[in-house]
Amino acid sequence: SQTIHQWPATLVQPVGSPLSLECTVEGTSNPNLYWYRQAAGRGLQLLFYSVGIGQISSEVPQNLSASRPQDRQFILSSKKLLLSDSGFYLCAWGRGGARSNQPQHFGDGTRLSIL
Amino acid sequence: QKEVEQDPGPLSVPEGAIVSLNCTYSNSAFQYFMWYRQYSRKGPELLMYTYSSGNKEDGRFTAQVDKSSKYISLFIRDSQPSDSATYLCAANTGNQFYFGTGTSLTVIP
Repeated sequence: SQTIHQWPATLVQPVGSPLSLECTVEGTSNPNLYWYRQAAGRGLQLLFYSVGIGQISSEVPQNLSASRPQDRQFILSSKKLLLSDSGFYLCAWGRGGARSNQPQHFGDGTRLSIL
Repeated sequence: QKEVEQDPGPLSVPEGAIVSLNCTYSNSAFQYFMWYRQYSRKGPELLMYTYSSGNKEDGRFTAQVDKSSKYISLFIRDSQPSDSATYLCAANTGNQFYFGTGTSLTVIP
């Protein structure tokens, strides 16, 4: 069966510090990978998605970037965090290729607080 | 107009009640219709999904899609305190997914 791991679960960072959140998927190959931010009452905001190694699409211009160095690894980064980057970050995976329309599966998220 | 609209609630019901959660959508091209359950401080968990229209039942849960009215519903029978969570509806076309903002449900013992 497939599993998705996200870490850390909670992170407190000062303004201006760098960020690296990691997500890995097990039990599947060539998944589509997604980073979302979830704000209370505002639903899920898609930040980045990737259909393969090194292939990143950005949905929202922002202070964040994403990378996919390996097939089942997805990293969310920032060089300098802003207060507005606080939130709940979720990684998700879905089937790739012809089955990319099948439902996504989420990790347990990282709650990021910027001080 | 958002692609998927969901009443945020909150919804509070006594244990054993039947719960009805609803969403509307605007895109006739949507293929899969999904319901996720999200407990506090956790990620959304895929609860049920249907492809195209119709009903799907899984234990106490029934998912229903009415494409003519663009309406998505989730029914929970014999609700339990453990059902207390936020429920998100979602729909997609291809690999583009659209989520409702979630309905907060509390089942009171």
